[in-house]
Amino acid sequence: QLQLQESGPGLVKPSETLSLTCSVSGDSISTSTYYWGWVRQPPGEGLEWIGSIFYSGNTYYNPSLKSRVSMSVDTSKNQISLKLRSVTAADTSVYYCARHSTSNRVGWFAPWGQGTLVTVSS
Amino acid sequence: SSELTQDPAVSVALGQTVRITCQGDSLTNYHASWYQQKPGRAPVLVVYGQDNRPSGIPDRFSGSTSGNTASLTITGTQAEDEADYYCNSRDSSDDHWMFGGGTKLTVL
Repeated sequence: QLQLQESGPGLVKPSETLSLTCSVSGDSISTSTYYWGWVRQPPGEGLEWIGSIFYSGNTYYNPSLKSRVSMSVDTSKNQISLKLRSVTAADTSVYYCARHSTSNRVGWFAPWGQGTLVTVSS
Repeated sequence: SSELTQDPAVSVALGQTVRITCQGDSLTNYHASWYQQKPGRAPVLVVYGQDNRPSGIPDRFSGSTSGNTASLTITGTQAEDEADYYCNSRDSSDDHWMFGGGTKLTVL
């Protein structure tokens, strides 16, 4: 059964870099044909797609975050990582990772990790 | 860039049918996927594509698209269906994905 688990600091200072890792079990990132995505959700608000990455390193990002985001894959650890630079309080959110499937004219995110709350505060 | 618009809140009587809609220009080129989210929990995929359900999702959940509007229909709504529902699709002019603002479903 495929499972994803986010991990990383729960508190980040303003202007610093948020770094999170998503550990994947039950499937190998490097042999799958899926993308792996990050989605965030500010407290009490809706979902926002951050970006998606293929095991080869091919990425695409939300244009509104593109200048501050980078994602990477570590196939030896079966993990994907997210970095968000120059954070502000507006980046306070629950961050989720999810497998991102795409097919003819449709894409979907499933399953999802449980999410991890990151608070930006001094 | 495009966006997806959902009604903020919808209510339905127990056992009745409810339709949750998602409107956006990109939906004329790409199908939507739909997610159910209960308080404090991660989203769960309930419908994707033309009308596909992951295993374990009850068949009372169904999806459809007409023009620039995608719909999630719940037939015979149960109390446990009370949740927030989000649509998701790809922007037709760019290589990125987007979510609707979400619809809070209340079961009366």
